[in-house]
Amino acid sequence: AQSVSQHNHHVILSEAASLELGCNYSYGGTVNLFWYVQYPGQHLQLLLKYFSGDPLVKGIKGFEAEFIKSKFSFNLRKPSVQWSDTAEYFCAVNAWIQGAQKLVFGQGTRLTINP
Amino acid sequence: KAGVTQTPRYLIKTRGQQVTLSCSPISGHRSVSWYQQTPGQGLQFLFEYFSETQRNKGNFPGRFSGRQFSNSRSEMNVSTLELGDSALYLCASSPTGGGYTFGSGTRLTVV
Repeated sequence: AQSVSQHNHHVILSEAASLELGCNYSYGGTVNLFWYVQYPGQHLQLLLKYFSGDPLVKGIKGFEAEFIKSKFSFNLRKPSVQWSDTAEYFCAVNAWIQGAQKLVFGQGTRLTINP
Repeated sequence: KAGVTQTPRYLIKTRGQQVTLSCSPISGHRSVSWYQQTPGQGLQFLFEYFSETQRNKGNFPGRFSGRQFSNSRSEMNVSTLELGDSALYLCASSPTGGGYTFGSGTRLTVV
């Protein structure tokens, strides 16, 4: 079935560690890709998005993501995490599915940063 | 520019009742999508409205319905509530061409 997969359900890191969260999707054709973050008790906020052009996308708060078309991947990275990055992270793909555009989310990755 | 506004923020209902949630999109955005977020199922797509027409629908029972008004505001209705309907319901608005902005959500608790 077509889907969006986030491989890590819960990631625990120490401050200053490097972060990479995986995201793979299975939709063909043109896709738009997003990473959203949800801080505890808050709503979804857009971290970054890829529509076209440079596959390395820079977002807010020092996050970046790389679109690798051949691998159907859009992994999120940050060189040095902070305690304030503790949140849930969602990868989402906007694709044409059964004749209509849909935004489909991965299951989310809970990130815990220990001070 | 104001963001996506969802009302109410919190709601407690009993089983069997019905509920209506409201979403006001960003001015100029014509597409409104609804999602259900639960710890077990994550973010599940409910439906999308564009120019007062349902353009897309997820895999939810017919108890879940929605509509969109001429000013792009949207409402979602759930009839005959079940305990399993307890969730955070999120609305997202989008301009033509993509990009979604989410509201703060309505947390529905069914008791």
